[in-house]
Amino acid sequence: KAGVTQTPRYLIKTRGQQVTLSCSPISGHRSVSWYQQTPGQGLQFLFEYFSETQRNKGNFPGRFSGRQFSNSRSEMNVSTLELGDSALYLCASTGTENTGELFFGEGSRLTVL
Amino acid sequence: GENVEQHPSTLSVQEGDSAVIKCTYSDSASNYFPWYKQELGKRPQLIIDIRSNVGEKKDQRIAVTLNKTAKHFSLHITETQPEDSAVYFCAASIQASGTYKYIFGTGTRLKVLA
Repeated sequence: KAGVTQTPRYLIKTRGQQVTLSCSPISGHRSVSWYQQTPGQGLQFLFEYFSETQRNKGNFPGRFSGRQFSNSRSEMNVSTLELGDSALYLCASTGTENTGELFFGEGSRLTVL
Repeated sequence: GENVEQHPSTLSVQEGDSAVIKCTYSDSASNYFPWYKQELGKRPQLIIDIRSNVGEKKDQRIAVTLNKTAKHFSLHITETQPEDSAVYFCAASIQASGTYKYIFGTGTRLKVLA
């Protein structure tokens, strides 16, 4: 079974631009969540989607948005990029067994110049 | 708001010694506590978890203890090996209506010295 796939793996943007990151969950997983990882801040929850609906949302500004498609693939978008948005963005999917285990992708590393 | 405090932020131990990482959570409704290990450049992976109806759980060299009264849980690694070197994240989660909402700690970088 293929793992969680995130694209692109690395990208560089400048302030004010916008970016879209993609996440393909493990086949059969319907829940996808997104996390921002920065040094010293750990993993901060952005949002979670299940069956194309946002189920939970973290404390991030409205510049951060996401969506989920009918095939469970998810995208997140960050508009009007700021230097502080530089981070590793991790996507995770959870299975139907609902054990709570998060299966993470390798992340998309965003650098904002 | 809810938060999880994790200590220490860095920990160096000699190979073969034990390592202990501690976390404290604020939301008393939390009922699921996983630990994730993230090796350098790799994705976080679940290594052990505990639910609020259990006080301790062991899996070979790793164990987790939970004190609900103190809202405190810890990861214990015995007989540490170089491959245990990684960043470890604790999390507190509320499971409700089929979904989990996680709050992660800030991570502990463990270095096992050969």
